[in-house]
Amino acid sequence: AQKVTQAQTEISVVEKEDVTLDCVYETRDTTYYLFWYKQPPSGELVFLIRRNSFDEQNEISGRYSWNFQKSTSSFNFTITASQVVDSAVYFCALAEYSGAGSYQLTFGKGTKLSVIP
Amino acid sequence: DAGVIQSPRHEVTEMGQEVTLRCKPISGHNSLFWYRQTMMRGLELLIYFNNNVPIDDSGMPEDRFSAKMPNASFSTLKIQPSEPRDSAVYFCASSLIGNRVDGYTFGSGTRLTVV
Repeated sequence: AQKVTQAQTEISVVEKEDVTLDCVYETRDTTYYLFWYKQPPSGELVFLIRRNSFDEQNEISGRYSWNFQKSTSSFNFTITASQVVDSAVYFCALAEYSGAGSYQLTFGKGTKLSVIP
Repeated sequence: DAGVIQSPRHEVTEMGQEVTLRCKPISGHNSLFWYRQTMMRGLELLIYFNNNVPIDDSGMPEDRFSAKMPNASFSTLKIQPSEPRDSAVYFCASSLIGNRVDGYTFGSGTRLTVV
């Protein structure tokens, strides 16, 4: 079973539209961390946000916002007023404790977002 | 802070040759991860180290793959012999693991092509 599921493989929106990228995770741990990364066409992985399992407060950073709901094991990402520069593949990831003081980071398959001018 | 540094950025090699990918983590980080990204399988964790010690190598696909971390500032991923199906982008990432988990910082990746 996949630990991190990003059901949307590809999304296309017109510039200035809002878009939400879904992420559902699976874990038995009570302490874990969730991440979102952006991978633009240039290929690097850019860290966007980290959230620990005890902090369900939603977060807003400019046009980006994240909705963390433990009850549904979801950590969704919304881009408001999308721009062409937002076109990228977005990855959701889960870090679980794996022993010996280590956390293992598992990625979803990613959602490719295309913003059309 | 120079970030995580990977070399080379691109590598083209012939099937059967040995390939060595290199990674310099962020100074002070105590965990290092090697990932492989392909279209079919996405981002897969190959192996990770904690304080230079390999913790979990269950993601290493075959015995042809090996990884070392001789000190806190350097790691290698070696493929010997290489095969065309090893073609992928290989990422190295580092993090500071302690009482909390900070962000994992990724290098720019090495694009490996085996012909």
